[in-house]
Amino acid sequence: GESVGLHLPTLSVQEGDNSIINCAYSNSASDYFIWYKQESGKGPQFIIDIRSNMDKRQGQRVTVLLNKTVKHLSLQIAATQPGDSAVYFCAENLGAGNMLTFGGGTRLMVKP
Amino acid sequence: DAGITQSPRHKVTETGTPVTLRCHQTENHRYMYWYRQDPGHGLRLIHYSYGVKDTDKGEVSDGYSVSRSKTEDFLLTLESATSSQTSVYFCALRGGSKGEAFFGQGTRLTVV
Repeated sequence: GESVGLHLPTLSVQEGDNSIINCAYSNSASDYFIWYKQESGKGPQFIIDIRSNMDKRQGQRVTVLLNKTVKHLSLQIAATQPGDSAVYFCAENLGAGNMLTFGGGTRLMVKP
Repeated sequence: DAGITQSPRHKVTETGTPVTLRCHQTENHRYMYWYRQDPGHGLRLIHYSYGVKDTDKGEVSDGYSVSRSKTEDFLLTLESATSSQTSVYFCALRGGSKGEAFFGQGTRLTVV
């Protein structure tokens, strides 16, 4: 299958702990943000999104926080499971042109 | 996978030859994107389309061209492949600027 980057920042957590993955975005005009999960050999898959008029959004076991002042996004995963091991990307939508631009990614490793 | 198909899934080609990758959707989504994914660089936007015959460049468009003659197909062409274009290529599609992007399974292209 298709491989993901070999030189990514890595977060290693114990199974059952909470994980926090951070992302700095580039454009203060970005109006929509998405977190994606990518498993080995697969394309990125949607996890959760947030619009720029929000600070926080919760899903099932995941929460996204948006701090527009410092252009920072975070993804919190509660009770991390082995199946959460993957590479996580944030993406920002640059409004007018609808370009979706991705951050460099973070590899999450869950230790049993 | 949200009605998106990439072809071929794997290709090996020689330097200097033309190559065309195809992305086909059955969702009637307006926006389509081509990304490349390389170790240490994450996902980088090559070109995108916001409608039939409406395309625009992304951050790494040099050496690539695209065409969208009908809603369901978005073609990526390498006019004269180079070794630096060895990569995994992902197609994505979106219905609107505030929606998630759905990704294909990727095409691994090797230029020898």
